[in-house]
Amino acid sequence: RKEVEQDPGPFNVPEGATVAFNCTYSNSASQSFFWYRQDCRKEPKLLMSVYSSGNEDGRFTAQLNRASQYISLLIRDSKLSDSATYLCVVTRPSGSARQLTFGSGTQLTVLP
Amino acid sequence: GAGVSQSPSNKVTEKGKDVELRCDPISGHTALYWYRQRLGQGLEFLIYFQGNSAPDKSGLPSDRFSAERTGESVSTLTIQRTQQEDSAVYLCASSSASGGETQYFGPGTRLLVL
Repeated sequence: RKEVEQDPGPFNVPEGATVAFNCTYSNSASQSFFWYRQDCRKEPKLLMSVYSSGNEDGRFTAQLNRASQYISLLIRDSKLSDSATYLCVVTRPSGSARQLTFGSGTQLTVLP
Repeated sequence: GAGVSQSPSNKVTEKGKDVELRCDPISGHTALYWYRQRLGQGLEFLIYFQGNSAPDKSGLPSDRFSAERTGESVSTLTIQRTQQEDSAVYLCASSSASGGETQYFGPGTRLLVL
């Protein structure tokens, strides 16, 4: 079983739609959680951190359920520019450092 | 300031040759990571440097892969006797000690082994 699992998609949605992505992680020692965005043939960039209390940044809402080891990202009123691959990222202790594990990503295409 | 830079941006090599990839992290960032991303796949962790601590090499796929970093500056990833399955984008990221997990990625080096 992969340490971080995501539905690869692709998700094809019309502009203005609401879309949700899910991510599960297997290591209960995981400490921090993030969503990164990767545009085609570009490097990943941090989208937002994910907190236990849930957090919102404009049209984006991230939720964490530690008991279920589950993370979600909700995008409301989707725009064409939201088309990208969304990567779920989990960190855990690794010796004196932190190990980041990336999911394989969920591909989103917003259609006009 | 400047972001993470990587060179070369593209590299085509023949099977069996050695290649060296370079990463210049953001100035002042103590942590540096190398990842590999095959076409259509997720990021695969390779190696992690944090300051002067011993690097975490747990992700290196074989002894053909090695990486070095001098202090908190430039890092080089070396792949010896390249194989076709080494073809991928090699991404470098850096982060500050205080903002540990927010990683800033370079544009990557696209490696093609013929």
